[in-house]
Amino acid sequence: NAGVTQTPKFQVLKTGQSMTLQCAQDMNHNSMYWYRQDPGMGLRLIYYSASEGTTDKGEVPNGYNVSRLNKREFSLRLESAAPSQTSVYFCASRGGMAGNTIYFGEGSWLTVV
Amino acid sequence: KQEVTQIPAALSVPEGENLVLNCSFTDSAIYNLQWFRQDPGKGLTSLLLIQSSQREQTSGRLNASLDKSSGRSTLYIAASQPGDSATYLCAVRMDSSYKLIFGSGTRLLVRP
Repeated sequence: NAGVTQTPKFQVLKTGQSMTLQCAQDMNHNSMYWYRQDPGMGLRLIYYSASEGTTDKGEVPNGYNVSRLNKREFSLRLESAAPSQTSVYFCASRGGMAGNTIYFGEGSWLTVV
Repeated sequence: KQEVTQIPAALSVPEGENLVLNCSFTDSAIYNLQWFRQDPGKGLTSLLLIQSSQREQTSGRLNASLDKSSGRSTLYIAASQPGDSATYLCAVRMDSSYKLIFGSGTRLLVRP
């Protein structure tokens, strides 16, 4: 059981380049999330998807776009990367008893130079 | 706007000590509160979840309490071990949202 899988694990981008972070879960969960984690700031929600085909903005959506093409996959795209987007990105999905348990991927370390 | 605070940011204790990690939140209208563990270079693992109607939850050497009226939760770790060294984060879920709001975490080091 793979749980939540993120790719790539590490990426270095130049300012202005674009890239997509991929996330897939195999637990048949409806809800999926993208967070970023910065030192001293905890995790901040970028976007979330309550179900297939729906997405909503979180706390820090500027500079990002997302796609929930099917129930398994939720991707995060940086159209024009900026140094301020250097961070660790976590994908998560929510399910379990009463839909309360949240499962995280291992993270994607992104550096924008 | 809900704010979640964890103090201290870092804690170092000798092996075997019982310890308490603190989490406070400004809006008491929460749906539930979760405690997570994060090992270096890894994602978060859920430890305990407390519903808003509950006062505490226990799992092994871990006990989490919730006092909504005062906006506080504690994570008690009994007989700490070096393997408990990690960052511990709390997160609250509000009534009308699927969103989780995280504290910035407490980095725990248990010294052998």
